[in-house]
Amino acid sequence: DADVTQTPRNRITKTGKRIMLECSQTKGHDRMYWYRQDPGLGLRLIYYSFDVKDINKGEISDGYSVSRQAQAKFSLSLESAIPNQTALYFCATSEGAETDTQYFGPGTRLTVL
Amino acid sequence: QKEVEQDPGPLSVPEGAIVSLNCTYSNSAFQYFMWYRQYSRKGPELLMYTYSSGNKEDGRFTAQVDKSSKYISLFIRDSQPSDSATYLCAMTYYSSASKIIFGSGTRLSIRP
Repeated sequence: DADVTQTPRNRITKTGKRIMLECSQTKGHDRMYWYRQDPGLGLRLIYYSFDVKDINKGEISDGYSVSRQAQAKFSLSLESAIPNQTALYFCATSEGAETDTQYFGPGTRLTVL
Repeated sequence: QKEVEQDPGPLSVPEGAIVSLNCTYSNSAFQYFMWYRQYSRKGPELLMYTYSSGNKEDGRFTAQVDKSSKYISLFIRDSQPSDSATYLCAMTYYSSASKIIFGSGTRLSIRP
C-alpha cells in the first residue's frame, strides 16, 4: 500500500463550490504539506503543519484552508473554488531531519469550471 | 527574482547520451541540495541529495554542487528511455522551521 494517499485523484467542479482534498499517511511523520503544481511554476507551498497543533501558511494560502485532524491526516479545503485554482495538488510528508526529505502522494488533479 | 531558477526545457536527447540538468539559486544559506524525479501523473520522488559543495555519485547519476557559484547540476550517464521524466531541483537550510524550495522542473525525454 502507498505510504501517502490522496483522495480524490481527479475532481471537476464548478466555480463557487466548496471542495475538500484529503491526505492520509502511514509513514508516521509529524510534518505534512500541501502543494500545488502548475506548468512553468513548479511546486508552490500552500500550507504546512509540523505537528497536529501547528498550522502555517505557505506562499500561496489565499483561498485555501486546512485541517490537521490527526498525525496521519491533513485536509485541504477550497471554500469557494475559482478557475485559477485549477491545478495538480500534492500532499507530502517529512520527518524533519536535516535534509527534510519529502514523500509525495500521487496528486489530485482539480479542474474548476 | 525566484530563489531557485531552473530551465523548464523540454530537453530531448538520444538514448545513451550524457544529460546535464542545472539550477541556480540566490540564497547562500542553502546547505542541502536535492534532485527529485517526477514521472507523468505521479508525485515527485527523491533521487539524490548532497550536503554543501562537492560531487555525489549513485550509479548513472552524479549530483554536483558549486556553492561559490550558487549552481547545482545533475548528470545522467548512459541515459535510458526510462529516465524520461521531469527533474526538479530542491534545496533547504536546516532549522526547526525551514522548508524546501523547489525549482520549476526540467522535462527530459530520452529518444530510443
